[in-house]
Amino acid sequence: DAMVIQNPRYQVTQFGKPVTLSCSQTLNHNVMYWYQQKSSQAPKLLFHYYDKDFNNEADTPDNFQSRRPNTSFCFLDIRSPGLGDAAMYLCATRLGGLETQYFGPGTRLLVL
Amino acid sequence: AQKVTQAQTEISVVEKEDVTLDCVYETRDTTYYLFWYKQPPSGELVFLIRRNSFDEQNEISGRYSWNFQKSTSSFNFTITASQVVDSAVYFCALSGNQGGKLIFGQGTELSVKP
Repeated sequence: DAMVIQNPRYQVTQFGKPVTLSCSQTLNHNVMYWYQQKSSQAPKLLFHYYDKDFNNEADTPDNFQSRRPNTSFCFLDIRSPGLGDAAMYLCATRLGGLETQYFGPGTRLLVL
Repeated sequence: AQKVTQAQTEISVVEKEDVTLDCVYETRDTTYYLFWYKQPPSGELVFLIRRNSFDEQNEISGRYSWNFQKSTSSFNFTITASQVVDSAVYFCALSGNQGGKLIFGQGTELSVKP
């Protein structure tokens, strides 16, 4: 059974049109992460939630926002996608106090 | 500063060969964790192993084995008798005293040919 679920798996959007990616988890983990991974690169952390506390990476563009309405769900909002935002977006969860992050299958975003 | 280096960008082997993926790390933290993840073409990052800095015991899991050496700051990964299904990008990662943040290496793309 999938433990970290990302929808949709593929998302096509238009330049400048807001898009939301979703992540849900059945692990009841209190920490959730969003990563961006461009082709042939390592994943890059955008931000994470520790419980309800939001932690933004210093170099994450303002164009990227996140919401976590409850423990199970976390959303990534891209307010005005540019061509450079085309990437794989990975969600991960972790149980605080333990160190292992578990990743979802990712959402591939294409910007036209 | 923390850093993970995977010097091998691409490796190509023939099925049944053994292959070792290298990982070298830098950290000033006294307590830290090292990880290996597998990323097949589908894109999901699959957790393979975690080691903490106090446990240098090597580990074997089926065809996979890991060699952790603090003296050389290395955490190498060996696949014995490789199979085509092992073809993937493998990432080594480090987390220390930064709230669980993972520092990834650049990844090694392993291609196992029949």
